[in-house]
Amino acid sequence: EPEVTQTPSHQVTQMGQEVILRCVPISNHLYFYWYRQILGQKVEFLVSFYNNEISEKSEIFDDQFSVERPDGSNFTLKIRSTKLEDSAMYFCASTVYSGANVLTFGAGSRLTVL
Amino acid sequence: EDKVVQSPLSLVVHEGDTVTLNCSYEVTNFRSLLWYKQEKKAPTFLFMLTSSGIEKKSGRLSSILDKKELFSILNITATQTGDSAVYLCAVLTKGGSEKLVFGKGMKLTVNP
Repeated sequence: EPEVTQTPSHQVTQMGQEVILRCVPISNHLYFYWYRQILGQKVEFLVSFYNNEISEKSEIFDDQFSVERPDGSNFTLKIRSTKLEDSAMYFCASTVYSGANVLTFGAGSRLTVL
Repeated sequence: EDKVVQSPLSLVVHEGDTVTLNCSYEVTNFRSLLWYKQEKKAPTFLFMLTSSGIEKKSGRLSSILDKKELFSILNITATQTGDSAVYLCAVLTKGGSEKLVFGKGMKLTVNP
């Protein structure tokens, strides 16, 4: 069964460092998302991406965050200068088309900021 | 603010028991309600509910949506240890784009 692949599975970084989390969505999917889950809290929407641009972003997704699809297969989330509170599990998701469709999630990348 | 509330937040049962998980919501622009099962890795899709009163069933799991009272339940009958997981309820909303609003999740532990 097709799956969304995320790397790395776990990254530890120092506060202030840049981090790039990578995702390979399912190949025929067109809509891409990042969600995050701080330990013990809800899964929260960060950003949606379609046709090479951001469709919507949450309040969490400030100027420190960016997304891009550099090569038509990878979908990346960059955090420019990490803060302690960025420590979380980051989930990538994708779907074929918009319209009450089911999102398929990746296994997540756990980010620990020290 | 869109809100999804799950109850209980955790439950410990014995194999063979039946459990009912509750999810209530208050959102603008409701599209559908989804249930996911989260074990150690990716949340895996269980059900998507769009219409009220129509039960969806998959093996020992079933779910139903009440759009008038704004809630859904997920039932698991004859629980097994493999059902131990966090069950996530999420509502798909339509704003600038579609996005999921999640509840906190319900941790189910099934003991042998």
